[in-house]
Amino acid sequence: TQLLEQSPQFLSIQEGENLTVYCNSSSVFSSLQWYRQEPGEGPVLLVTVVTGGEVKKLKRLTFQFGDARKDSSLHITAAQPGDTGLYLCAGAGSLSTDKLIFGTGTRLQVFP
Amino acid sequence: DAGVIQSPRHEVTEMGQEVTLRCKPISGHNSLFWYRQTMMRGLELLIYFNNNVPIDDSGMPEDRFSAKMPNASFSTLKIQPSEPRDSAVYFCASSFAVHTEAFFGQGTRLTVV
Repeated sequence: TQLLEQSPQFLSIQEGENLTVYCNSSSVFSSLQWYRQEPGEGPVLLVTVVTGGEVKKLKRLTFQFGDARKDSSLHITAAQPGDTGLYLCAGAGSLSTDKLIFGTGTRLQVFP
Repeated sequence: DAGVIQSPRHEVTEMGQEVTLRCKPISGHNSLFWYRQTMMRGLELLIYFNNNVPIDDSGMPEDRFSAKMPNASFSTLKIQPSEPRDSAVYFCASSFAVHTEAFFGQGTRLTVV
C-alpha cells in the first residue's frame, strides 16, 4: 500500500516567518500534486510536479520534487494569514489507471 | 462551469436512518471520486468511477455504504443504516483522468446523532 506521510502535522507561526512542509513516501510516484484546503471548502490544486528534482515557484511558495520522486517539499517564504489552511500532497502512480494517493496533511495557522 | 456540485451541504440525521449524498461532476470529466474527511483519519478515498464504472471500492467502510453513477453527470453515495461514527465531511471530486488534477466539491457535512 502506498502511503504519503506529511510533516509536521500541525504548524502555528507568526506572519512573516518562513516554513517548510514535507511529504515523504517509500514509493515512487510519476507525479505529485499539492493542494490547499480552506475551512468549509474542498481542496484546491496549487501545483503539479512531474520530473525528479523539479522546482516550481508560485509567488511565495516553492515546491520541490525529490530526485527519486519519492518525496516533496513545500516552502513558504514570509507567511501571511491568507496562507492558513490544510496542505495536502497527493501522489500518482505510474499507471494511467492508478488513483491519487493523498497525504496525511499539514494544518498551517499563520497569526497576524 | 459551476464546478463540482454536491448536495446537501449539511445533513443531520438520526442513527439508523438512510442518508443519500449527491454529486454532479464537471462536464467532460471521466473520473469521479468519493472521499470522507475526518480530523482523525484525514482524507480517505471511498470509491472511484471511471467512465461511470466503479473501478476501486476498497475504501468503502462496510456494506452499509454504497455508491452509484447511473450517468456521466450524476452520482450518489448512500449510507443505510447510518451510525454516529459515519459523521464526517464527504467530498465528491472529478477529473479528466484518474490521476490528473482533482476538482473537489464543497462537501457535505454529515452528522449522525
